[in-house]
Amino acid sequence: QQQVKQSPQSLIVQKGGISIINCAYENTAFDYFPWYQQFPGKGPALLIAIRPDVSEKKEGRFTISFNKSAKQFSLHIMDSQPGDSATYFCAAGRSGGSYIPTFGRGTSLIVHP
Amino acid sequence: GAVVSQHPSRVICKSGTSVKIECRSLDFQATTMFWYRQFPKQSLMLMATSNEGSKATYEQGVEKDKFLINHASLTLSTLTVTSAHPEDSSFYICSARDIGTGKAFFGQGTRLTVV
Repeated sequence: QQQVKQSPQSLIVQKGGISIINCAYENTAFDYFPWYQQFPGKGPALLIAIRPDVSEKKEGRFTISFNKSAKQFSLHIMDSQPGDSATYFCAAGRSGGSYIPTFGRGTSLIVHP
Repeated sequence: GAVVSQHPSRVICKSGTSVKIECRSLDFQATTMFWYRQFPKQSLMLMATSNEGSKATYEQGVEKDKFLINHASLTLSTLTVTSAHPEDSSFYICSARDIGTGKAFFGQGTRLTVV
């Protein structure tokens, strides 16, 4: 059973455009929602994370939007750049000492120059 | 930010031999570390959760006698792939959970090729 559903599987955006990746979760006990960026041959790197007490979090060009009632959250990359081309994973879990993240399937983003 | 060092980054070994992969949290302590396996263009598959000073918890379908995990200190966990076979070739990634923040940070990954 996939507890975190991520879409789209792949995304192509022109430089300067907005990249949007969506995730939906099922477990209402989840209270920590990170996004990871992974380049080929490298481990994932924590990009940005949100907790359900806020509906939006912004860090530079990256924004997470969170909809608790719909159990959905999304990553928006503003002014997308070719260097943003990577695979993005959303994750969800219960924070604290028992945190074990459940990952989405990943989205391969390509930003054309 | 928090740094997790994973070593080696690449290893090629002969079938039947064992390979050890190290995962170190460099600037934080981690009572819990995770070991993942990732196939090309796929998500991370959790293999086991490693707890400092106790036995690891393996996910269903993961052979604990084949993938030996040791978490002897708050900054080091090791994964040993025993009697490796070509089907064990994969990208293995560790993650360490910071005691202080609860956040999990990943190592750089290890590309294992068994020939």
